[in-house]
Amino acid sequence: AQSVAQPEDQVNVAEGNPLTVKCTYSVSGNPYLFWYVQYPNRGLQFLLKYITGDNLVKGSYGFEAEFNKSQTSFHLKKPSALVSDSALYFCAVGDFNKFYFGSGTKLNVKP
Amino acid sequence: KAGVTQTPRYLIKTRGQQVTLSCSPISGHRSVSWYQQTPGQGLQFLFEYFSETQRNKGNFPGRFSGRQFSNSRSEMNVSTLELGDSALYLCASSLGLWPLNTEAFFGQGTRLTVV
Repeated sequence: AQSVAQPEDQVNVAEGNPLTVKCTYSVSGNPYLFWYVQYPNRGLQFLLKYITGDNLVKGSYGFEAEFNKSQTSFHLKKPSALVSDSALYFCAVGDFNKFYFGSGTKLNVKP
Repeated sequence: KAGVTQTPRYLIKTRGQQVTLSCSPISGHRSVSWYQQTPGQGLQFLFEYFSETQRNKGNFPGRFSGRQFSNSRSEMNVSTLELGDSALYLCASSLGLWPLNTEAFFGQGTRLTVV
């Protein structure tokens, strides 16, 4: 069975500081991992994905994620947070056009 | 190019009624998936259609159904509405060529309120 876990309901960070949003996964077979962001009253926007290859994946808006097979993790990172990054972030594992989403982490970036 | 369009954006229905939601995918995309988002259950997969065929189905009762037309537009129907069906319903479209093309594009959703 495919699943992801986001252990933090909320992450608070000051603008300009680095941010990390955590995600761990459990999959059978090859992991296809994704990060999506949701702004209020909006759908989900794709940030980045890991299919194969380099463990460090670069995505939209300066975000990146590190795939760690031994720790079954796929944490989302950004070197310098912006207030406009405040949103709900979802980690997901994909399986033939079907996505299993984590519970979401609310990121609050304070000025 | 135009994104994924979901109509209507907001809907209020009474318990026991039925409702139909519509999703127009990005031009050229053949896969359409539906998700239910609620504060308590998060984002849950409902079903996925590719070339008018349902390929995947989530763990929802038979009151939830869908279909896809030859132009890839999709509809989902919920019959005998319950208060717990109140949610944001999201549609996602993709080329459908998994795993060669894995990116899904989401619409803004339809906010259904059941009273």
